Amino acid sequence: GENVEQHPSTLSVQEGDSAVIKCTYSDSASNYFPWYKQELGKRPQLIIDIRSNVGEKKDQRIAVTLNKTAKHFSLHITETQPEDSAVYFCALNTGNQFYFGTGTSLTVIP
Amino acid sequence: EAQVTQNPRYLITVTGKKLTVTCSQNMNHEYMSWYRQDPGLGLRQIYYSMNVEVTDKGDVPEGYKVSRKEKRNFPLILESPSPNQTSLYFCASSLYPWSSYNSPLHFGNGTRLTVT
Repeated sequence: GENVEQHPSTLSVQEGDSAVIKCTYSDSASNYFPWYKQELGKRPQLIIDIRSNVGEKKDQRIAVTLNKTAKHFSLHITETQPEDSAVYFCALNTGNQFYFGTGTSLTVIP
Repeated sequence: EAQVTQNPRYLITVTGKKLTVTCSQNMNHEYMSWYRQDPGLGLRQIYYSMNVEVTDKGDVPEGYKVSRKEKRNFPLILESPSPNQTSLYFCASSLYPWSSYNSPLHFGNGTRLTVT
């Protein structure tokens, strides 16, 4: 199956700073790239997504960028707040299957 | 309310005792799938289904069975559970992930399974 590498595995930032999480993939057939946030003890929930024909998408403090040539996509969170603390997963879809990164544990220090 | 419902939330069992985890969605989604989540490994797909009576193996199908007799239900069956199947399991559904539209996965609340 597809291999999705996600970095970093842990990330600590001061409140108000930015956080960036990056994922790389290998299958050029991947066409849809969602990001999920998982709070402790809860289910993963979609926070933003992007299709392969779009290079960047923004939703308030969250943005995702996609570089199809280099096969990587990134999540950017600006003006971080303590409630942003969670585990974030990148994912991609190749048509029939979704593949997930191994997760980034983000801690926002007040 | 649109949702994916999994039961039970917690399950402790012994090696070899057959069990079923149920999953139901009320969003008329075509696609349903099961994942297991283990520390440091992310979410790995066990099985998926693109339609009624159509199921396929994901990346880690060994030791699991599924069925899709109705569109809304997709139970996960462990015929003879072993300790290495101790994990957090998520059921998820999506409308048409193979389409040109954004079609994210919607997750259930998870089932924490312990096999002793």
